Amino acid sequence: AQKITQTQPGMFVQEKEAVTLDCTYDTSDPSYGLFWYKQPSSGEMIFLIYQGSYDQQNATEGRYSLNFQKARKSANLVISASQLGDSAMYFCAMRDFGAGGFKTIFGAGTRLFVKA
Amino acid sequence: SQTIHQWPATLVQPVGSPLSLECTVEGTSNPNLYWYRQAAGRGLQLLFYSVGIGQISSEVPQNLSASRPQDRQFILSSKKLLLSDSGFYLCACHIPGTSEAFFGQGTRLTVV
Repeated sequence: AQKITQTQPGMFVQEKEAVTLDCTYDTSDPSYGLFWYKQPSSGEMIFLIYQGSYDQQNATEGRYSLNFQKARKSANLVISASQLGDSAMYFCAMRDFGAGGFKTIFGAGTRLFVKA
Repeated sequence: SQTIHQWPATLVQPVGSPLSLECTVEGTSNPNLYWYRQAAGRGLQLLFYSVGIGQISSEVPQNLSASRPQDRQFILSSKKLLLSDSGFYLCACHIPGTSEAFFGQGTRLTVV
């Protein structure tokens, strides 16, 4: 069965520093996708970055990069040069493509606090 | 590009009253549609998903139901709300063959 685990309920980071948000997953399907979403206090879900299980290189999108370690089944999000506007909830998610790609499941989330 | 409309944004309903939340999608056809619920300060729980008109899969047994009367319309309903139904409800859309799932703005439901 699919499972996503985010073990950090909250994280603090100083403005302009980098931070890593942890995510581990479990699936028996060899074909899957991993996602990170940001949820500010307004509640909307903002897509940040995607990593496919067969992608050879780690995904990067601006200040966001995904540290994908397939053997360890981890997909940590790295935010470089943190900004005050990065304070939000961050969710890791996974979709198994072998199961028809129908279900995306989410972790419990990590609340990031960026300090000035 | 696709757009997801979800309404209402905020809803306060008494216990035992019915519920109907609507989600419509523009800019695409044959999407996979999802309803998620987020309890305060917690992650997203998948409630229902649909891969086509009239096709509904339920992930969590509860007093909620979903329907998909049209290709780009997904409705979440309840005949009698419980206090535990309070939460933030998000509709999501995924285009088969693509990677990203798009979300609506969400409905904050408070059952009193």
